[in-house]
This record gives sequence, C-alpha cells and structure tokens, in this order.
Amino acid sequence: AQTVTQSQPEMSVQEAETVTLSCTYDTSENNYYLFWYKQPPSRQMILVIRQEAYKQQNATENRFSVNFQKAAKSFSLKISDSQLGDTAMYFCAFMKRSFGAGTTVTVRA
Amino acid sequence: DVKVTQSSRYLVKRTGEKVFLECVQDMDHENMFWYRQDPGLGLRLIYFSYDVKMKEKGDIPEGYSVSREKKERFSLILESASTNQTSMYLCASSSPGTNSYEQYFGPGTRLTVT
Repeated sequence: AQTVTQSQPEMSVQEAETVTLSCTYDTSENNYYLFWYKQPPSRQMILVIRQEAYKQQNATENRFSVNFQKAAKSFSLKISDSQLGDTAMYFCAFMKRSFGAGTTVTVRA
Repeated sequence: DVKVTQSSRYLVKRTGEKVFLECVQDMDHENMFWYRQDPGLGLRLIYFSYDVKMKEKGDIPEGYSVSREKKERFSLILESASTNQTSMYLCASSSPGTNSYEQYFGPGTRLTVT
C-alpha cells in the first residue's frame, strides 16, 4: 500500500482565520486520485475535496482548497475563514485504501 | 441521500467470542470496505469487496474474515476476538465511475474486547 503521511497531529486556529494541513504520499503511479475527508466528533466521515492527479488545476470547494504538487508528492488542504463547525479530524487519502494518521483541527471562538 | 449504516455503534465482547459486524449500503455500490481506525495510525484497510461473493485482503486481514452474499451487505467477522482488536471499525462503499474511489462511510462501530 502507498504511504500517506500527515505530519501535524493537531492544529488550532482562531475562528475566521486560515489553517493549512499538510499531506505527503509515496507512489510510482502517474494517474490517481487524492482526497481529504473530515470526521467531526462522533459523526460520520465525509468527503471534503478530491483532486485528480492528471489535472494541474488545484481543486476548490467553497472555503476549502488544495495545493497539489505532483512532483513533490504533496497535497495540502487550506481551510479559509475557519468556522466552529470545521472542528474535526481530517484525513488525507490516496485512492481507495491508503489513509494518513489524521490531523485534529480545533477552531477556537 | 447516500446512506451507509452499521449494525451497532458500540459493542462489548469477551475474548474468544465470535463477533459479527454488519454494514449495509443503499446506493447499489459495487465496492465495499472494512477499515479499523486507531489513534495515531489513521485508517487501515482490513478487507474489501468489489462484487458479491468477491473479496480481497487489505493491509491487516489477520484475525478477520468477511462475507458478501448480497450486494448491499458486507459483514466483518472476528473469528475469535482478542483484546488487540479493540478499535473503531468503519465500513465504506464506493462505485467505480466518474468519481472513482470516493468513499461513503458508515458511522462506525466502537468495539471493546475484554
């Protein structure tokens, strides 16, 4: 299985500010999908954003955007204008089976 | 709305018991997955199935088996539960298609083996 590394176990951000979560991965494949999932406390994991490797343009979904650097095998998530509801654990995922250890994000009021 | 359900949110079993975790999806998805989630380790794939009666081992299949007799249902079986199988178990489903590999997750089953 490919290795996915999230180097930040926890992050804290003030409401309305921006936070960036890092993710690196290891693969020899050329075409693949990357995902960020969000797991709120005691709630179901849901998809935040996806990126297809052959697309050079970085994906955006409202306040969530990614910085995809294919050569560097880096896939960071930026949460802009953080809201209290963004408090959750965030997982970076490669295709269907490789997940990072997760980053717990706490948004402070 | 897409829905994946799991039979129990919390389960407590004794060492040596046979444990069944059930997962049902209502999206007619071909692919179904079982993960375990542990602090600091993220999600690790136990087994997945890409069709009825088909299964493939994931990264940590030891001590587990699965069953998929119907498309909508995927069961995880702990043949003889051990304390190191205490964990959160997540089921997911997906469909190969335009949004390939996006997974829909169930709420999880927190299993404690004593």
